[in-house]
Amino acid sequence: DTGVSQNPRHKITKRGQNVTFRCDPISEHNRLYWYRQTLGQGPEFLTYFQNEAQLEKSRLLSDRFSAERPKGSFSTLEIQRTEQGDSAMYLCASSPRQGRDTEAFFGQGTRLTVV
Amino acid sequence: GNSVTQMEGPVTLSEEAFLTINCTYTATGYPSLFWYVQYPGEGLQLLLKATKADDKGSNKGFEATYRKETTSFHLEKGSVQVSDSAVYFCALSASGTDKLIFGTGTRLQVFP
Repeated sequence: DTGVSQNPRHKITKRGQNVTFRCDPISEHNRLYWYRQTLGQGPEFLTYFQNEAQLEKSRLLSDRFSAERPKGSFSTLEIQRTEQGDSAMYLCASSPRQGRDTEAFFGQGTRLTVV
Repeated sequence: GNSVTQMEGPVTLSEEAFLTINCTYTATGYPSLFWYVQYPGEGLQLLLKATKADDKGSNKGFEATYRKETTSFHLEKGSVQVSDSAVYFCALSASGTDKLIFGTGTRLQVFP
């Protein structure tokens, strides 16, 4: 399977704990995006990378959130001191090049539940 | 700011019925417009797109036309199938950025 892979698929954590999610994009895709989707809403942009450079961060991304893409391949999204409001589906997407008409390929997401 | 508004669901249809899901947008410049679909248990996937005014995107019998004068990108299909049951998201990518801005999604349920 050469699609976008996200791990874990599900994560349940206690409030205040740290969590980390991983995204493996389609090979050779240099753009990688993170989105967050809550129930009944569309995905909301969080951040994106061009290779290893983080080019844009949403205001939604508080100081407790950090994303990395150290070698321009896989990416991690870490949430520190989780809160119940962080419960959501976290989606990763990749695309082969820049350009606003370029298709983004999405993974199946990581569902986070903070209890 | 940039935003997308789409009709609330669920939309419930019988097989072979005509489908319209409305989508309007607000954006500066000339955005690209997309419809993404999410089938049960699967990730979002691109259904169709249009990158400039009057372009028509089409795929799998679905069509949408980029209407700049009405800032709309309505999704249509002449005859829906049970297998079309899914959540449909309208989205835009504004000038100068590659990120997608999504609507809230419309759930389509097709019954035999």
